[in-house]
Amino acid sequence: AQSVTQPDIHITVSEGASLELRCNYSYGATPYLFWYVQSPGQGLQLLLKYFSGDTLVQGIKGFEAEFKRSQSSFNLRKPSVHWSDAAEYFCAVPTGANNLFFGTGTRLTVIP
Amino acid sequence: DTEVTQTPKHLVMGMTNKKSLKCEQHMGHRAMYWYKQKAKKPPELMFVYSYEKLSINESVPSRFSPECPNSSLLNLHLHALQPEDSALYLCASSQWGSGAVNEQFFGPGTRLTVL
Repeated sequence: AQSVTQPDIHITVSEGASLELRCNYSYGATPYLFWYVQSPGQGLQLLLKYFSGDTLVQGIKGFEAEFKRSQSSFNLRKPSVHWSDAAEYFCAVPTGANNLFFGTGTRLTVIP
Repeated sequence: DTEVTQTPKHLVMGMTNKKSLKCEQHMGHRAMYWYKQKAKKPPELMFVYSYEKLSINESVPSRFSPECPNSSLLNLHLHALQPEDSALYLCASSQWGSGAVNEQFFGPGTRLTVL
C-alpha cells in the first residue's frame, strides 16, 4: 500500500528565511502526491499536487515541491517564509479510489 | 463557488444526546467525505459517499451515522458518543474518479466536545 512519512514533527524558522519540509513516499510506481496546509482550527487547503511530468511543481502561496524518484521524496519548499505560513503541513498520497493517506504532519512555527 | 461549509462550528454534547453535523457544497462534486481529526494528528477517513451512496465505511462505530440526502448535502448523525469521540470533524468533497487524483476541498470543520 502507498504511504508517506514526514520525518519532522516540528520546524521553527525565522521570518524571511527559506523553508524545506520533508516527505518520503513508499510506492513502487510513480505516485500521485499532495501537500495540504492546515491553519489552526481550520480545514485543509491544497497547496500543490504532483501526478506526472515536470518534477518541480508550483503551488499557491509561493510554495513549490520537487519530486525525486531516486530519493523517494516530495519535499515542500518556500524561498522566504512569512509569519502567516505558520500552520500544520500534511503530505498525502492516494491509497485507493478516492482515499487519501495523510502523513503525520509537520508543524511550522515562524519567529519574527 | 469553491467552498465547503460546515455547521455548527462548535458543538458540545452529553453522552446521551443526539446531534447532527451538516456539510454542504455547490461545486457539483459527486464524492463527499467525513474525516475525524484528533489534536496534533492527521485526518482519519471515516466515510466516503459517491453519487449519494455510501461507498466506504472505515469501520466506524455505529454511534456515527452518515447520511447523504442529495448531491450537495452530507450529514453526520451522532448518538451516544463517548468523550474520546471529541475531535475536529472535517467534511470534504471532490469529483469522483479513479486513482484519487482529484483534489479534495475541505470545510473548516466542526469542533466536537463530548462531556
